[in-house]
Amino acid sequence: GAVVSQHPSWVICKSGTSVKIECRSLDFQATTMFWYRQFPKQSLMLMATSNEGSKATYEQGVEKDKFLINHASLTLSTLTVTSAHPEDSSFYICSAPALREGLYEQYFGPGTRLTVT
Amino acid sequence: SQQGEEDPQALSIQEGENATMNCSYKTSINNLQWYRQNSGRGLVHLILIRSNEREKHSGRLRVTLDTSKKSSSLLITASRAADTASYFCATDGSGGSNYKLTFGKGTLLTVNP
Repeated sequence: GAVVSQHPSWVICKSGTSVKIECRSLDFQATTMFWYRQFPKQSLMLMATSNEGSKATYEQGVEKDKFLINHASLTLSTLTVTSAHPEDSSFYICSAPALREGLYEQYFGPGTRLTVT
Repeated sequence: SQQGEEDPQALSIQEGENATMNCSYKTSINNLQWYRQNSGRGLVHLILIRSNEREKHSGRLRVTLDTSKKSSSLLITASRAADTASYFCATDGSGGSNYKLTFGKGTLLTVNP
């Protein structure tokens, strides 16, 4: 089946530093990937759509200069949280669509827990 | 308000009982999906139901979809302690590989042994 990995699974960083999170589709190619953020006991909120070969599309209210997205290849998208602050502490999850029984299903990575101190 | 809202927000049952969770949405959809998330973990896809389907089964799971009421339900039969998790519905309104999912707020299910 389609597998999506994320790295790292958790990271602690100091306020003001930048953190890069990788999302990889391991056994399929994805021209599009999605990045979500999830606060404790809340639902997933879509942050942006990562597009291979072009700029990411950000959802309303998400700062594109703070959350840099690069879709470097058909199997890799990266999310960089720049100048991180404690309020950026969250669970970040990526997904990639793969075709199954004629429909695209989203396959999710295991998530990355970011803690900014 | 948010597309894909589940109720109840929290449900606590005894092992062996059935658990029913509901989801409502506001706009037209191509399909609706249910996901499970264990605490602090990623999402596991449970089942997808297309807009032209009314009911779908997968093991102990039964999903119904009523597009006239813009609602769906997830039934877990003969629940087990291992079913304890958060359950989310997600809707897709555009189809194709670029579609985006909108998630509901989720139902936290606790199955007591």
